[in-house]
Amino acid sequence: KAGVTQTPRYLIKTRGQQVTLSCSPISGHRSVSWYQQTPGQGLQFLFEYFSETQRNKGNFPGRFSGRQFSNSRSEMNVSTLELGDSALYLCASSLGDREGVTDTQYFGPGTRLTVL
Amino acid sequence: AQKITQTQPGMFVQEKEAVTLDCTYDTSDPSYGLFWYKQPSSGEMIFLIYQGSYDQQNATEGRYSLNFQKARKSANLVISASQLGDSAMYFCAMREYSGGYQKVTFGTGTKLQVIP
Repeated sequence: KAGVTQTPRYLIKTRGQQVTLSCSPISGHRSVSWYQQTPGQGLQFLFEYFSETQRNKGNFPGRFSGRQFSNSRSEMNVSTLELGDSALYLCASSLGDREGVTDTQYFGPGTRLTVL
Repeated sequence: AQKITQTQPGMFVQEKEAVTLDCTYDTSDPSYGLFWYKQPSSGEMIFLIYQGSYDQQNATEGRYSLNFQKARKSANLVISASQLGDSAMYFCAMREYSGGYQKVTFGTGTKLQVIP
């Protein structure tokens, strides 16, 4: 079974630009979560999508948005990029059992975004 | 209060020795799941092992075992017979279902270095 894939793997943008990152989950997984990882803040939850609906949201400004398609693939968009948005963006997929605490997340390789 | 606490920012272990990485958690939910992930320098988070709050026995997966002490709210990862390839960051995470939402919280990680 193929794992979680993320594209692109590396991105360099300048302040003020916008960026779109893509994530394809493991086949059969309906939940996709996005995380931002920086050396200073660690791993921070951005949002989770399940069946094309945002199910959960972290504490990030509205410049960060996402969506999920009917095939469970997800995209994350960051508008008006700031220097502080430089980070590793990780996508994780899981089956998405709503009440199941056994639901294991499997991560993609990440997209490393550098904002100049 | 921190939901997940990993008190060891960095650790060294001799090759072929066993090592314990500490993790304590804080939750009032009776049902929760505990996860450990490995993150090599390449960036991808690799799922290692899972322990459910109702599991009677400690989880094991190959060289990884989880020392689960529910009363003390600790879920330490034990790696036996360390290998050079075990050098990486290790993250403890907890999944809770509370108030109609699932939430996954990660610790700050422990950097493990295996010495030949």
